[in-house]
Amino acid sequence: AAGVIQSPRHLIKEKRETATLKCYPIPRHDTVYWYQQGPGQDPQFLISFYEKMQSDKGSIPDRFSAQQFSDYHSELNMSSLELGDSALYFCASSLGRGNSPLHFGNGTRLTVT
Amino acid sequence: KQEVTQIPAALSVPEGENLVLNCSFTDSAIYNLQWFRQDPGKGLTSLLLIQSSQREQTSGRLNASLDKSSGRSTLYIAASQPGDSATYLCAAEGGSSNTGKLIFGQGTTLQVKP
Repeated sequence: AAGVIQSPRHLIKEKRETATLKCYPIPRHDTVYWYQQGPGQDPQFLISFYEKMQSDKGSIPDRFSAQQFSDYHSELNMSSLELGDSALYFCASSLGRGNSPLHFGNGTRLTVT
Repeated sequence: KQEVTQIPAALSVPEGENLVLNCSFTDSAIYNLQWFRQDPGKGLTSLLLIQSSQREQTSGRLNASLDKSSGRSTLYIAASQPGDSATYLCAAEGGSSNTGKLIFGQGTTLQVKP
């Protein structure tokens, strides 16, 4: 069965650079979520999209932005990167919002040096 | 504000033992509670989702229960195997908005020794 695809798997950037993370949800899933998991931490919700509209917003820095495109894939854009942005970034998708299991991708590991 | 806590943080058991992982949440107005497995450096694999109207869900050797009134969920693993070694995370969805946003606990890292 198709799963959530995230690219790239690994990304190394320097401070103040920009990074773009991509997420391709499971086919027919219309909702995408982004989570950030720092070293030894639990995943923290960043932002979600339902039917290409922003659905909810969590602890996402103003330096980050995201959108969901017409084919339902999503991109997380991160600018002015800081050392503290180093983390595993997960994308998840679901069919509809609420009470539907979230299916997570394998994540993008971002390292900021 | 929803807070999710998991106890213990780490657990080591010999192969074959039955074990229980605990999860508690502060806001009982949840839509569902989901249990995940995470292997080191890997993604999250959904194990079980319990709707707010349900009391438990079972999948193979796994059984998850939900008691909204007491703000608790447990994950029971029967006849543990070394391949069960991983971090187990519970996550609560809901509260006042039905957006699918999950609040995670910090996980229980399980080691099953052969």
